[in-house]
Amino acid sequence: GAVVSQHPSWVICKSGTSVKIECRSLDFQATTMFWYRQFPKQSLMLMATSNEGSKATYEQGVEKDKFLINHASLTLSTLTVTSAHPEDSSFYICSARDLGYLPGLETHEQYFGPGTRLTVT
Amino acid sequence: GEDVEQSLFLSVREGDSSVINCTYTDSSSTYLYWYKQEPGAGLQLLTYIFSNMDMKQDQRLTVLLNKKDKHLSLRIADTQTGDSAIYFCAENPGNTGKLIFGQGTTLQVKP
Repeated sequence: GAVVSQHPSWVICKSGTSVKIECRSLDFQATTMFWYRQFPKQSLMLMATSNEGSKATYEQGVEKDKFLINHASLTLSTLTVTSAHPEDSSFYICSARDLGYLPGLETHEQYFGPGTRLTVT
Repeated sequence: GEDVEQSLFLSVREGDSSVINCTYTDSSSTYLYWYKQEPGAGLQLLTYIFSNMDMKQDQRLTVLLNKKDKHLSLRIADTQTGDSAIYFCAENPGNTGKLIFGQGTTLQVKP
């Protein structure tokens, strides 16, 4: 089946620094990737939709200047947390939708990465 | 608006059936989903149901959908300790791929 990887799987950084998280679709092409954030014992909250070759679409309340998304190729999207603070500590999960998806067809062809645990000290 | 709600915790004994319930608000989702998350891991798609169906069975999993009441349930037969995890239901408003998740139900299976 389709595989989505994330790197790193966990990272600890100092307050004020920036951290980049990669999301890769390993055996399929993804025009659309989604970035979610999950706090401990809570649900996943959609942060933004990343579209290959265009600007990301951010959900209400998500600061686009703080969470920079770049979807430079059909297999890679990156999320950069700029000037990280302790309140940014969270579990970040990406998902990727297969290029073969067409509107009106099954929408379960969306695959999730294993997540990246970010801790800001 | 878009809102998905689940009960937070369920405890069962090994071998019993587990039923996890979910309510949703959006009626435009063509599919509704159940995902499983094990500790420290990403999400695994367990099953999904087309919105025009009332029931779907897949081995030990049975999904029931009451579209009128916007109520979705997941039944796990013969629950095993390996089924211990957090289960999320999700809707897909407008079929855009932007999933809206419930809070997750932690399933604890006692031996």
